[in-house]
Amino acid sequence: KAGVTQTPRYLIKTRGQQVTLSCSPISGHRSVSWYQQTPGQGLQFLFEYFSETQRNKGNFPGRFSGRQFSNSRSEMNVSTLELGDSALYLCASSSGLAGAKGTGELFFGEGSRLTVL
Amino acid sequence: AQTVTQSQPEMSVQEAETVTLSCTYDTSESDYYLFWYKQPPSRQMILVIRQEAYKQQNATENRFSVNFQKAAKSFSLKISDSQLGDAAMYFCAYRSVYQGGSEKLVFGKGTKLTVNP
Repeated sequence: KAGVTQTPRYLIKTRGQQVTLSCSPISGHRSVSWYQQTPGQGLQFLFEYFSETQRNKGNFPGRFSGRQFSNSRSEMNVSTLELGDSALYLCASSSGLAGAKGTGELFFGEGSRLTVL
Repeated sequence: AQTVTQSQPEMSVQEAETVTLSCTYDTSESDYYLFWYKQPPSRQMILVIRQEAYKQQNATENRFSVNFQKAAKSFSLKISDSQLGDAAMYFCAYRSVYQGGSEKLVFGKGTKLTVNP
């Protein structure tokens, strides 16, 4: 069973640009979550999508947005990049049914390393 | 809001010995889940062990076990017979059951574990 796939793995952008990151979840998983990982702030929750609907959202500015497609693939976008957006962006997928049939385990991708110059 | 604290930024252990990683959390909720995730240098995070708050019995997974003290809001991870492959960042995480089915995790800052041969 293929794992969570994130693309691109590495990218470099300059301030003011925008970036789109992609995440393909494990087959059959309906939930995708995004986290930002930095040395200073650690892992911070960005948002979560389940069956194309945003189910939860973290405390990030409106420059950070996401969406989920009918095949459960998800994208996140960051507009008007700032130096502080440099981070590892992790995507995680799950069945999305933690309260019912799922175990609640999140399966993480290897991340997209964004550097903003 | 819930918080998770890992007070040991770094720990080291000799191969074959036992090490305990600490985690405390703050919550006013009575039911929740706690997790330990491992992030090796390759960066893909994987679940190590999971504990449901309503279960008094401590979870175990092979060489990994937890000491869950609900009243003290403490959730430590014990690794027995440490192996070189256990070297990684370890993150403690909390998940509320009162967030509309969302699987959002609140992470601690992590503990870097070094295993010495």
